[in-house]
Amino acid sequence: SQQGEEDPQALSIQEGENATMNCSYKTSINNLQWYRQNSGRGLVHLILIRSNEREKHSGRLRVTLDTSKKSSSLLITASRAADTASYFCATDAFGGADGLTFGKGTHLIIQP
Amino acid sequence: EPEVTQTPSHQVTQMGQEVILRCVPISNHLYFYWYRQILGQKVEFLVSFYNNEISEKSEIFDDQFSVERPDGSNFTLKIRSTKLEDSAMYFCASSRMTSGSQETQYFGPGTRLLVL
Repeated sequence: SQQGEEDPQALSIQEGENATMNCSYKTSINNLQWYRQNSGRGLVHLILIRSNEREKHSGRLRVTLDTSKKSSSLLITASRAADTASYFCATDAFGGADGLTFGKGTHLIIQP
Repeated sequence: EPEVTQTPSHQVTQMGQEVILRCVPISNHLYFYWYRQILGQKVEFLVSFYNNEISEKSEIFDDQFSVERPDGSNFTLKIRSTKLEDSAMYFCASSRMTSGSQETQYFGPGTRLLVL
């Protein structure tokens, strides 16, 4: 898979349920970031997790990072209709390169 | 909370015309970026800018593209002679620290460019 590949590509759940999205990457990283994008809109930064961190929380968001498996997961607990959006993971390159590499994203739909 | 702003929100232009997309990064940030997202595709890195010069650029960022910080607040992306395939959403981003990839990059709302 390419750097920063999310799965599933699409996820539809009922409001109140938890949503889990996964991201895999290929090269070593300094950090991994998750972003949200509402349809046709800008990218909203959700959380950054560094390569020496294993888990991070922010409100209803929980991100894990497993550098041995080169994977990360984003968990949204108690989902709301307003969480409907596309979610992207973005990685840097260990050499300190500036540009982030984004995956194709997971399109999350929360059914009311 | 400070935000990255971009103007215009939408731009329609004829093929071959020059366009300038404008961004105002967050005021105390030192690193600036441009990304693009062709409809239905991934967000792609174009260029990063630090200390009034390009820090890094991708293969996409060819001679048709240029960036400039004309004053203390604006950061611009110029496309000299637009092509149909330049139609995309263009995002500006900024980050606080000198090592851009190790800090959060904050994105603007984007400019949707349509080349006819």
